[in-house]
Amino acid sequence: SQQGEEDPQALSIQEGENATMNCSYKTSINNLQWYRQNSGRGLVHLILIRSNEREKHSGRLRVTLDTSKKSSSLLITASRAADTASYFCATARLGAGNMLTFGGGTRLMVKP
Amino acid sequence: NAGVMQNPRHLVRRRGQEARLRCSPMKGHSHVYWYRQLPEEGLKFMVYLQKENIIDESGMPKERFSAEFPKEGPSILRIQQVVRGDSAAYFCASSPGQGVGNSPLHFGNGTRLTVT
Repeated sequence: SQQGEEDPQALSIQEGENATMNCSYKTSINNLQWYRQNSGRGLVHLILIRSNEREKHSGRLRVTLDTSKKSSSLLITASRAADTASYFCATARLGAGNMLTFGGGTRLMVKP
Repeated sequence: NAGVMQNPRHLVRRRGQEARLRCSPMKGHSHVYWYRQLPEEGLKFMVYLQKENIIDESGMPKERFSAEFPKEGPSILRIQQVVRGDSAAYFCASSPGQGVGNSPLHFGNGTRLTVT
């Protein structure tokens, strides 16, 4: 299976609720990144967390990284209908520079 | 402040024809990456290029696919003798440099290739 597997594959919540997505990976990494993709569009970078960091915040986003478990989570607080999109984690392996390996994504639907 | 520009947005080719996908990286970016995405799936790495150099093509099929990033002009992903299985969205991304791998990638909006 590929590096960077997201869980769940699909998530449906009501506006105002929190959404949590998880990502697992296999190899040692330089950093882990989360991207968002709206239907029919390219990916937009959300947040990057380095291998020596454990938690990072950006607005309503909170990312954690546990290198011992090779896992990361993305929390979106107080979700909005506009957060509806697919979310992908991507890992930059040690020695691979900026080359990223993506997981299969979590499709998030936020109902108004 | 143009981002990564890909064209065409949509491309329809008959089986056996050639497909050429173009990508102009963000201004100041010298590294280009091509990814392929099937419906409801994640992105699969194909090739990583710098100007006039292919750095890593480990994700590229050995036959029919080629990529270049010339000194002048956009990066080109070329698919010869297309087959139905080549139908997918092809995304280009760029970054300013290799660095130590702590730069996010900037993506274009992709080219959706349909092979009939």
